[in-house]
Amino acid sequence: AQKITQTQPGMFVQEKEAVTLDCTYDTSDPSYGLFWYKQPSSGEMIFLIYQGSYDQQNATEGRYSLNFQKARKSANLVISASQLGDSAMYFCATSSNTGNQFYFGTGTSLTVIP
Amino acid sequence: DGGITQSPKYLFRKEGQNVTLSCEQNLNHDAMYWYRQDPGQGLRLIYYSQIVNDFQKGDIAEGYSVSREKKESFPLTVTSAQKNPTAFYLCASSIGWEGVYEQFFGPGTRLTVL
Repeated sequence: AQKITQTQPGMFVQEKEAVTLDCTYDTSDPSYGLFWYKQPSSGEMIFLIYQGSYDQQNATEGRYSLNFQKARKSANLVISASQLGDSAMYFCATSSNTGNQFYFGTGTSLTVIP
Repeated sequence: DGGITQSPKYLFRKEGQNVTLSCEQNLNHDAMYWYRQDPGQGLRLIYYSQIVNDFQKGDIAEGYSVSREKKESFPLTVTSAQKNPTAFYLCASSIGWEGVYEQFFGPGTRLTVL
């Protein structure tokens, strides 16, 4: 099984500033995917960004970018220009390319301060 | 609008009773999943199904059962054998089983055992 570690249980960021949420993973699979999801207080999981392990470039989706360091097994999420609506739980997850079974971290709670 | 629906949103059950959580998707996705989320924790996989009439146990399948008779439906039954069923349950689907596809999530069902 794969293991995901999110070491920051809670983070605070000033509105309009950037914030980095950490994620490290442990896998022996040669090929895998990395995902970030946002979970607002309502409970639904919202997909943010995907990075394939063989992708050379870091993924970006609007204000979200993924700082992928394969040798360190690190896949940190960077949110630029934080907005009040970004306040939520954020989960990192991995999957193996042999099967779409996701493994989730314990999440980071982000609070954006006006 | 395409998406995943789960019902009911809140469910209360007496100890010793079985209860079935509904999950329906109109995204024409082959793969479907059930996760359990406890407070302060990430998501843990209960069961998954790659195609109709096929399903596999995830990491915490004991005390749960599923069926996949139709592509769009993947109901989860929480049986009386589940020792601690109070949790938030999330259903998800993806286009395929290969690990490069994002999973789309439903709004969740919050189950409370009285």
